[in-house]
Amino acid sequence: DQQVKQNSPSLSVQEGRISILNCDYTNSMFDYFLWYKKYPAEGPTFLISISSIKDKNEDGRFTVFLNKSAKHLSLHIVPSQPGDSAVYFCAAVGGGANSKLTFGKGITLSVRP
Amino acid sequence: KAGVTQTPRYLIKTRGQQVTLSCSPISGHRSVSWYQQTPGQGLQFLFEYFSETQRNKGNFPGRFSGRQFSNSRSEMNVSTLELGDSALYLCASSSLRGREIEQYFGPGTRLTVT
Repeated sequence: DQQVKQNSPSLSVQEGRISILNCDYTNSMFDYFLWYKKYPAEGPTFLISISSIKDKNEDGRFTVFLNKSAKHLSLHIVPSQPGDSAVYFCAAVGGGANSKLTFGKGITLSVRP
Repeated sequence: KAGVTQTPRYLIKTRGQQVTLSCSPISGHRSVSWYQQTPGQGLQFLFEYFSETQRNKGNFPGRFSGRQFSNSRSEMNVSTLELGDSALYLCASSSLRGREIEQYFGPGTRLTVT
C-alpha cells in the first residue's frame, strides 16, 4: 500500500517556464512534508519542506503548496532551469518524535534549453 | 559544517556473504535513518536510530540490522546477502526542531551482489 504517490513518472518543460510536480498521500497522520532532488549516484538533496499547519512555503524559485483536505501537495519551480533536471521525491513524516520518511517513487524532471 | 558521510561508496559482494556499511551523521544530529533505493521500489525506509536505540523499523527481513554508537555514528549490517539486496543504501541524519525536521542524506553506498 503506497502511502505517498507521485503518479506522473516524468515531466518535461521548457527553460524559463513553470514546473509543477504533484504528490498525493493517503495517511492522515502525516503532518510534515519534504521535497528532495536527486541526481544519479548521489544522495537526495533537501529542497523545501512544509508543515501541515501551513498551506504554502516559499524559498527562492521553489514553492510548495499543501492542500490538506485533498491530501495533495505540489512543488512549483519558477523559472525552470536546465540544472533543475533531476528526479524529485516527495516525502512525508507522521506525528510525534519520528524521523521516518515515507517517499513517493519520484518524478523525473527534464528542463529543455 | 561537514555533511553526512558514508563508507564505503561502492561495494561488490557475493551471495551468502555479509556486509557492514557505515554512516557518520552531521555533527549535533542524534538521529540516523537508513534507506534502500532500488529502481523498482524507490526509497524504502529500513530503520532509524536515536541515542543508540532503534526507534523505528521498516518492513525488511531480520537479515538487515543496525546499530548506533555513543558518538551517533551508525552501522548497518546485511547478512546472507541475496541478489535482490543490490541497491543504493542511503543514510540520513536528522534533527528535530519542534514540528520541523531537518533530514540530510549522505551520498550512499552502492552495493552490488553477484
